[in-house]
Amino acid sequence: DQQVKQNSPSLSVQEGRISILNCDYTNSMFDYFLWYKKYPAEGPTFLISISSIKDKNEDGRFTVFLNKSAKHLSLHIVPSQPGDSAVYFCAASEGYGQNFVFGPGTRLSVLP
Amino acid sequence: DTAVSQTPKYLVTQMGNDKSIKCEQNLGHDTMYWYKQDSKKFLKIMFSYNNKELIINETVPNRFSPKSPDKAHLNLHINSLELGDSAVYFCASSLSRLAGGQLKQFFGPGTRLTVL
Repeated sequence: DQQVKQNSPSLSVQEGRISILNCDYTNSMFDYFLWYKKYPAEGPTFLISISSIKDKNEDGRFTVFLNKSAKHLSLHIVPSQPGDSAVYFCAASEGYGQNFVFGPGTRLSVLP
Repeated sequence: DTAVSQTPKYLVTQMGNDKSIKCEQNLGHDTMYWYKQDSKKFLKIMFSYNNKELIINETVPNRFSPKSPDKAHLNLHINSLELGDSAVYFCASSLSRLAGGQLKQFFGPGTRLTVL
């Protein structure tokens, strides 16, 4: 039973446009969410996080939105660049636990 | 300088063998983790160690045992390897929330284990 879902296995976007990656979760106890980016043959790299007391967090071209009532979060990348092409993982944790639950990932391709 | 390093990068071995994967971090973090990425690309946490104490063990077979000689190292030992153990194993580290960390994990490059 997947507690963190990323229903789009892949996404293609034109360079300069907005990329929107979605993530849904089922565990209402999750209170901290993270996005990671992963290039082939490398480990995931932390991108941005958000706690449940916020509904938006921004870092440069990356913004994460959290809708707690819908148990949904999204990552916006504006403007998208070819170097953003990677697999993006959404992850969630609850309380002070160190247990991170990852989604299956979405492969983003930014076309020049 | 590499923040989180793992050795070896590739490991090919026969069923029934015992093998180890090493992990080291030079970030001064107090928590380290092992993840398994299976053939469906799911990243699943196996263990985390905080100050030499195991704080999570997610239904992992006891053939897998983490060993932490010090805060900078968390090695993964696997006994009696099975075909289903084939996967990519990632080590990671972070500061714990109790230490004021934001749970930002730094991952190693991964070890691809193939069991024949």
